[in-house]
Amino acid sequence: DAGVIQSPRHEVTEMGQEVTLRCKPISGHNSLFWYRQTMMRGLELLIYFNNNVPIDDSGMPEDRFSAKMPNASFSTLKIQPSEPRDSAVYFCASSLLSSAYNEQFFGPGTRLTVL
Amino acid sequence: AQTVTQSQPEMSVQEAETVTLSCTYDTSENNYYLFWYKQPPSRQMILVIRQEAYKQQNATENRFSVNFQKAAKSFSLKISDSQLGDTAMYFCAFMKPSSGGGADGLTFGKGTHLIIQP
Repeated sequence: DAGVIQSPRHEVTEMGQEVTLRCKPISGHNSLFWYRQTMMRGLELLIYFNNNVPIDDSGMPEDRFSAKMPNASFSTLKIQPSEPRDSAVYFCASSLLSSAYNEQFFGPGTRLTVL
Repeated sequence: AQTVTQSQPEMSVQEAETVTLSCTYDTSENNYYLFWYKQPPSRQMILVIRQEAYKQQNATENRFSVNFQKAAKSFSLKISDSQLGDTAMYFCAFMKPSSGGGADGLTFGKGTHLIIQP
């Protein structure tokens, strides 16, 4: 079975440009999470969705960040305009709401570099 | 808000030895979940072991086991017969059930870099 799919795996862009990160959760999963990993701040939850509805976006750092989940099989995280401090690895994870541990399965991550 | 603390930034042991990684957390919740994730250089996050707070029995998965002390809010990971492939970052994580069903996102510690020496 396919795991969580993220694209692109690597993204290099210049400051001020728009960046869109994409995630396809595991088929049948109905919770989706976006995390960011940096050396300074570690792994942080940005936002998560249940049944395509955003539940908690308190981790989204600024208005420059936005996330959408138009359907059960696709989500995007957009940064506009991007800044060098946004450079990080962005992970998407999915889980099944009814599962015993609500175990989250992570994608391979997108390494974003903003020059 | 929950916090997770991993006090050992880096540890190094010889192959075949046993190593224990420490994790403490702070919460006012009574029911929650605890996890250990492994992140090798490939950066893929891999679930190692999990524990529900209301289960007193410590979880085990092959060479991996935990020592869960709810009153002390401690959740350490023991790796027995360590192998070169265990070299990775290890993250302790906390998750509480969501009021609307399912669970909230994970709160991670800063991680412990474990190095297994040949």
